[in-house]
Amino acid sequence: ETGVTQSPTHLIKTRGQQVTLRCSSQSGHNTVSWYQQALGQGPQFIFQYYREEENGRGNFPPRFSGLQFPNYSSELNVNALELDDSALYLCASSPGTGVTGELFFGEGSRLTVL
Amino acid sequence: AQSVTQPDIHITVSEGASLELRCNYSYGATPYLFWYVQSPGQGLQLLLKYFSGDTLVQGIKGFEAEFKRSQSSFNLRKPSVHWSDAAEYFCAASGGSYIPTFGRGTSLIVHP
Repeated sequence: ETGVTQSPTHLIKTRGQQVTLRCSSQSGHNTVSWYQQALGQGPQFIFQYYREEENGRGNFPPRFSGLQFPNYSSELNVNALELDDSALYLCASSPGTGVTGELFFGEGSRLTVL
Repeated sequence: AQSVTQPDIHITVSEGASLELRCNYSYGATPYLFWYVQSPGQGLQLLLKYFSGDTLVQGIKGFEAEFKRSQSSFNLRKPSVHWSDAAEYFCAASGGSYIPTFGRGTSLIVHP
């Protein structure tokens, strides 16, 4: 059984640039959630995708957007990067919505914005 | 608003000592409750979960947690800590949306 994989693991961008982060969900999982974890903080919910549709969104601006593909993999896109976007971005999959919220996490993509 | 509070930012214990990490939640009804662990540079791994029933739940790596409705708490415990338990621990809760809210985490330091 393949777990959740994310790419890239580390990347550096400058303010104003755009970034795309990728996530492959665990086999059999059709729901993907994205979280932002700033240094020393807990994960903050960005949004969730279920069967290619956005299924919930946290308190993040529209420049944070996402996609989910037919194979349930997902992308997180962030436009007009700001310094405060520097964080670990975590992808988590689950076997469906309404299934109590148990999540299976990848190791994250660490984004540094200079 | 729904929230999860972990009042201790850091906890230091000696190897072999017992451990208790605190977690309080604020939800309209009893949420689903979780404890996750994050080792340096890694993602989060589920330790245990509470949905209903027995208020003492057992998890992996020898951890357990007790749900106390009257105190809105879900504290994590381990009778004897190992050096490999040093990590960041996150309490999380999910309600009707089934989307978990995480606490800010407690960093566990283990002294030899």
